[in-house]
Amino acid sequence: EAQVTQNPRYLITVTGKKLTVTCSQNMNHEYMSWYRQDPGLGLRQIYYSMNVEVTDKGDVPEGYKVSRKEKRNFPLILESPSPNQTSLYFCASKKLGTEAFFGQGTRLTVV
Amino acid sequence: GESVGLHLPTLSVQEGDNSIINCAYSNSASDYFIWYKQESGKGPQFIIDIRSNMDKRQGQRVTVLLNKTVKHLSLQIAATQPGDSAVYFCAETYTNAGKSTFGDGTTLTVKP
Repeated sequence: EAQVTQNPRYLITVTGKKLTVTCSQNMNHEYMSWYRQDPGLGLRQIYYSMNVEVTDKGDVPEGYKVSRKEKRNFPLILESPSPNQTSLYFCASKKLGTEAFFGQGTRLTVV
Repeated sequence: GESVGLHLPTLSVQEGDNSIINCAYSNSASDYFIWYKQESGKGPQFIIDIRSNMDKRQGQRVTVLLNKTVKHLSLQIAATQPGDSAVYFCAETYTNAGKSTFGDGTTLTVKP
């Protein structure tokens, strides 16, 4: 089954404790991206990757890092999480020129 | 000037009625547009898309209209059902650029 898998689905952490949210896709898509979704602000892109070892900033990259060492994986790293990063996060992948496939989401709470 | 529908953050319809969800996009250079449906607790899912060389595309119970003159996109859902209740987002992108910009979303509620 074609899918984008994020882990964990839910995470509560403390300010400053480094965390990684994993994302994996099994569709051999070149393009992967991370979004955060906040009430009233819609979906905002954090980082994206056009292919292995190629990443670029989206609209709200501050406080986040990503890496793309393999085509299927695109982890999101929060080196020092802060409460304003409490949000619902989505990973997505796609073949260029087509629709995106989204993961189920990761609800992160930073206290 | 031409009249187009306003984007509404919420829309409530009776089961069986037709729904129209509107979206204004920002970049006149965008050439690919997509509608997504997001049900509670899930990620957005593809509904229908349209490229800039078209002004209308139909799917099963859904139709997307594109008006490039006023940068407006609409999604029409025929015979709306309770299972259509969700948040609907439009997205604009360039075919080869990857990056998509999402609209604010409309929450559709279908009353039985």
